[in-house]
Amino acid sequence: DTEVTQTPKHLVMGMTNKKSLKCEQHMGHRAMYWYKQKAKKPPELMFVYSYEKLSINESVPSRFSPECPNSSLLNLHLHALQPEDSALYLCASSQVASGDRSPYEQYFGPGTRLTVT
Amino acid sequence: SQQGEEDPQALSIQEGENATMNCSYKTSINNLQWYRQNSGRGLVHLILIRSNEREKHSGRLRVTLDTSKKSSSLLITASRAADTASYFCATAKVPGANNLFFGTGTRLTVIP
Repeated sequence: DTEVTQTPKHLVMGMTNKKSLKCEQHMGHRAMYWYKQKAKKPPELMFVYSYEKLSINESVPSRFSPECPNSSLLNLHLHALQPEDSALYLCASSQVASGDRSPYEQYFGPGTRLTVT
Repeated sequence: SQQGEEDPQALSIQEGENATMNCSYKTSINNLQWYRQNSGRGLVHLILIRSNEREKHSGRLRVTLDTSKKSSSLLITASRAADTASYFCATAKVPGANNLFFGTGTRLTVIP
């Protein structure tokens, strides 16, 4: 099974709402990622989890809060977002980086289209 | 800032023609990867080329890598309408790390 699933597919939220994005994979990957992608732009890395621990935070505002409850699940908690946070949020997974064979190919989910009103 | 730049930004060709996209990157790499993204969807990994490889093939895809020039190219031969998508190269910001950074991308349109 090489599928990464993300829920919901679409999300509309107000600036005072709290919501969560969910991601799941069953490939046994121990590295998981969140990316943000604006229209006609490349994905931008937000967070990296390795072995369920946050290893990289690309200076993301605290209104985005990631969580990795177990090796298959990754959440992104959203609170007090701004309209400019509207974007496609992509989750990905891969093997954990190891030596000169890294980085490994990443498997992406279909994304959550987020609109902040 | 992004790790890589790609050109052209957009490319429109007739079905059956070949499409070539170029990628330049800034730092040392262990490998360079190419991904495809259909409109508004997730990315799909196409091919990975290691720093000690100069050329790699996968079906209708041919990737070259020139580490002295810090550049790579992706050639899609005998293009099909289904190849219409955005194509991104990606490298790690730090060799050996898993933090992929994507180039600016090439939007390919294949006209039937």
